Amino acid sequence: DTAVSQTPKYLVTQMGNDKSIKCEQNLGHDTMYWYKQDSKKFLKIMFSYNNKELIINETVPNRFSPKSPDKAHLNLHINSLELGDSAVYFCASSFAPGQGVRWTEAFFGQGTRLTVV
Amino acid sequence: GNSVTQMEGPVTLSEEAFLTINCTYTATGYPSLFWYVQYPGEGLQLLLKATKADDKGSNKGFEATYRKETTSFHLEKGSVQVSDSAVYFCALRAGGTSYGKLTFGQGTILTVHP
Repeated sequence: DTAVSQTPKYLVTQMGNDKSIKCEQNLGHDTMYWYKQDSKKFLKIMFSYNNKELIINETVPNRFSPKSPDKAHLNLHINSLELGDSAVYFCASSFAPGQGVRWTEAFFGQGTRLTVV
Repeated sequence: GNSVTQMEGPVTLSEEAFLTINCTYTATGYPSLFWYVQYPGEGLQLLLKATKADDKGSNKGFEATYRKETTSFHLEKGSVQVSDSAVYFCALRAGGTSYGKLTFGQGTILTVHP
């Protein structure tokens, strides 16, 4: 009954490979995100989807391609992996605010530690 | 754009010491403010939140007050424990061109010694 679940938790792969990370949420949220955490713990947003529509696409190499088959799922596919892609990737979900409703918190998955060798 | 600035770390304290981690922000409109905590090897958990000016968020002995006049949301705890050792992130969500994304501070590593 995990709220936001990511798979796999650890991913070790060679340079040049293609890999995917999957994310699912069972909270009924309408918005999902991918964040990247670097070795200094800094968190930076990569993508955001609202009701399966891409609404945020930060400056990310086009080797990274998100896909949202439905509101509860957001996957991240990475082509031609590079050493610099090594990081922890977090999926998160939240509600977009309704009329007169304040911004609420986002819930995070456990993270996927990607190591490119 | 929106931004969050946290005090530089790491912070090292003895058990039962008083903790303050400073956080200031810049945002358009009326953001909601959050503190998240990341324990070693784990994901981010919401620690507390405040959604409007003068609100105080509190949880597990931690507190923070949304101060619009000083654009601050400082985290405090009166007596820290070894189990509080973690990375603490201040964050905000706001509308406009940020589309409600969470913007994080750089994180503050807290280590508490017995």
